[in-house]
Amino acid sequence: KAGVTQTPRYLIKTRGQQVTLSCSPISGHRSVSWYQQTPGQGLQFLFEYFSETQRNKGNFPGRFSGRQFSNSRSEMNVSTLELGDSALYLCASSLEATYNEQFFGPGTRLTVL
Amino acid sequence: AQTVTQSQPEMSVQEAETVTLSCTYDTSESDYYLFWYKQPPSRQMILVIRQEAYKQQNATENRFSVNFQKAAKSFSLKISDSQLGDAAMYFCAYRRWNAGNMLTFGGGTRLMVKP
Repeated sequence: KAGVTQTPRYLIKTRGQQVTLSCSPISGHRSVSWYQQTPGQGLQFLFEYFSETQRNKGNFPGRFSGRQFSNSRSEMNVSTLELGDSALYLCASSLEATYNEQFFGPGTRLTVL
Repeated sequence: AQTVTQSQPEMSVQEAETVTLSCTYDTSESDYYLFWYKQPPSRQMILVIRQEAYKQQNATENRFSVNFQKAAKSFSLKISDSQLGDAAMYFCAYRRWNAGNMLTFGGGTRLMVKP
């Protein structure tokens, strides 16, 4: 089975631009979660989608948004990029939302100049 | 809100020796999950071990075991017979019992393994 894939792997943007990151979960997985990883703030939860509905949301400004498609693929969007948005963005998928293990993707490294 | 604290930013261990990574957490809930994740230099995070709070027995997975002290809100990871491949960042994480897949992570411990 293919693992969680994230595209692109690396991205460079400038302040004020917007960006869209993509995550394809493991086949059959319906839950997709997003995390931001920075040296200063560590790993922080952004949001979780399950069956195309946002189920949980972390403490991030409205510039961060996401969605999930009927095939469970998910995208996250960051508008009006700031320097502080530079981070590794990790996606994780799981079968359901109970006891199942979450599988992480390799991440997208976003650099904002 | 739940918080997870890892007080050791870096640890080192000699190959074949045993090392223990510490984690404490704060929660007012009685049912929850705890996890240890490993993030090697390649960046892909993998699950090492998990513990359900209602289980008194400590979880074990081959060379990895935990010491779960619910009253003390402590969840340490013991790695026995350390191998070079164990070198990585280790994150302790908390998840509420019935609230989806939202993980709260600790700050991480960088483990170095000396040959």
